[in-house]
Order: sequence, then structure tokens, then C-alpha cells
Amino acid sequence: AQSVAQPEDQVNVAEGNPLTVKCTYSVSGNPYLFWYVQYPNRGLQFLLKYITGDNLVKGSYGFEAEFNKSQTSFHLKKPSALVSDSALYFCAVRDIRGDYKLSFGAGTTVTVRA
Amino acid sequence: DGGITQSPKYLFRKEGQNVTLSCEQNLNHDAMYWYRQDPGQGLRLIYYSQIVNDFQKGDIAEGYSVSREKKESFPLTVTSAQKNPTAFYLCASSIVARANSGNTIYFGEGSWLTVV
Repeated sequence: AQSVAQPEDQVNVAEGNPLTVKCTYSVSGNPYLFWYVQYPNRGLQFLLKYITGDNLVKGSYGFEAEFNKSQTSFHLKKPSALVSDSALYFCAVRDIRGDYKLSFGAGTTVTVRA
Repeated sequence: DGGITQSPKYLFRKEGQNVTLSCEQNLNHDAMYWYRQDPGQGLRLIYYSQIVNDFQKGDIAEGYSVSREKKESFPLTVTSAQKNPTAFYLCASSIVARANSGNTIYFGEGSWLTVV
């Protein structure tokens, strides 16, 4: 079985401060990990993914995420948050030895205040 | 522009009525998916299709039906058997749906379905 946990329903930061959105996963094999962002009444936009190789993955809009196998985590980070980063963020996982399914976390709402 | 087009954006269903949500993609992707999104629950997979004329049930297929007659199209019908259909529905696609693939799934803009 595979699953994702996003332990924080909400994250609030001031503009210009670092932003971190936490994600932990559970798979029986090795994971493929993804981050998506969703703005109100919109679809999900792909930010970045970890497949293999370098544990630090860089993605769109200045976001990056670090894969930590020992802690089974894939936290999303941005060094300096913008008000426009306010949105709903989803972490997702697929087990390399599993089937087609991509399992999503419940989402974390990020609010960046000016 | 290449992408995934869902229509309509907003749809209202009366009790006992079937409704169909449209999804079209021009990305030449083999696999297509339908997800349901409810507040606080993330996304749940309804159906997926790897190839034309073939589709598989996801985690919450009861009360839904799909067809895949063309590579570009994957319509979802919400039947009267779905007792709680009010939700945001997201169509998605990817190059292939192999289990050992890190291919990215891309999403459409979604459709709101409300029961009235």
C-alpha cells in the first residue's frame, strides 16, 4: 500500500520569509514523488518531481524539494515566499513496484501575507 | 495551445438524472484519468484508461461510468446511482500509465458538479 501525509492543514508565512510545506510518504518499494499546486477553482499544476538521482529537486516558480529516504519525507521549500504563492499544495506518491495509482495527500493551504 | 479541456465548468444535476462531463486532450497522451476532489480529502481516483477502448476502475468507481472511443476523449458520466455527486471533478492525462514509470500526470481545469 502507498500513502502520503501532509501533517499541516495550513501554513502561514510573511512575504519574503522561507516557506516549507511538509510531506511524508509510505511505500513498500521505492517512491516516485510529486508536488502540485492548485489555485481556487482551478486544476492542479505540476511543480516538480523526484524520480531518481539528486535528492534536491528544483522545479517551477523557484520551488524545490528534498527527498530524504531515511525520514521518508519530501518537503517542499521556497527560500523567499511571495503573496502569489498563496494556494493549496498537494504531495503525491507512486510506488515504483506498485500499479498505476498516484496517491495524494489531503493538501496544505499556504497563505503568504504581505 | 496544447492541453486538457474540461467542459462544462459548472454543471447542475437534478435528483435521478445522469450527467456527462467532457474531457479532451491534444497532448497525444496515452493514459487518461478522472479524479474527484472533496474538501479536506485530497484527490480520489474514479477511473483511468491506458489505451483506447480500455479502462479500469479506480478507488471510487461506483455510480460512475466512462468510455474511451478516441485517444483524445475520456468522458465521465455521473449516474443517478452516485448518491453524493456534488464535488469538483478533475480530468488528467499522462504519456503512459506504466507502474514503473515516473511520468507526470497533467490536469485539466476541473468541473464543478452540484446536485439541486
